[in-house]
Amino acid sequence: DAGVTQSPTHLIKTRGQQVTLRCSPKSGHDTVSWYQQALGQGPQFIFQYYEEEERQRGNFPDRFSGHQFPNYSSELNVNALLLGDSALYLCASSLTSSGRAANTQYFGPGTRLTVL
Amino acid sequence: AQSVAQPEDQVNVAEGNPLTVKCTYSVSGNPYLFWYVQYPNRGLQFLLKYITGDNLVKGSYGFEAEFNKSQTSFHLKKPSALVSDSALYFCAVRDVISSGSARQLTFGSGTQLTVLP
Repeated sequence: DAGVTQSPTHLIKTRGQQVTLRCSPKSGHDTVSWYQQALGQGPQFIFQYYEEEERQRGNFPDRFSGHQFPNYSSELNVNALLLGDSALYLCASSLTSSGRAANTQYFGPGTRLTVL
Repeated sequence: AQSVAQPEDQVNVAEGNPLTVKCTYSVSGNPYLFWYVQYPNRGLQFLLKYITGDNLVKGSYGFEAEFNKSQTSFHLKKPSALVSDSALYFCAVRDVISSGSARQLTFGSGTQLTVLP
């Protein structure tokens, strides 16, 4: 049973560039959430996708955008990169359609983004 | 708004001794509470969660956590620590869903656990 996968593992960009990160959810999951984890901090919620729509967003600027595909995989796009965007970007998947409460979010290994 | 506090940045314990990693939370309603562990250069690994019912929750690798509503705490415990338990531990909270309410997890700042041989 494949867990959550993310690509690429590492990425180096320069200020002003754009980046796309990818996530494939755990088998059977339909919901993807993205988090940013800066060095020495806990993960911060960026947004969550379900049924190909963004259904909740954290306190991140519009430079951060996303997409969910019909196969439930997801992309995170960041435009006009800033030095402060350097972080570990984590994708988490969960199952919404079961209707059960407190569905656990399972995390991928993350993508380490460095902005120079 | 929901929030989590992990008051200790670092916890050191000798191998074989019991360990406790502290967590307190704040939510407007009833909480769902989670513990995750992160090894270096890795993602977060789910340990256990509290939804409702028994205040003592058992999870993976011998870990357990005790929910205390009056103290708004959810401390992680293990009776006998192993060197391999050394890692970064995160507590997270989510408010019980009502229409349009938060689905996001809010994490604490993490506690680095070091188990000394």
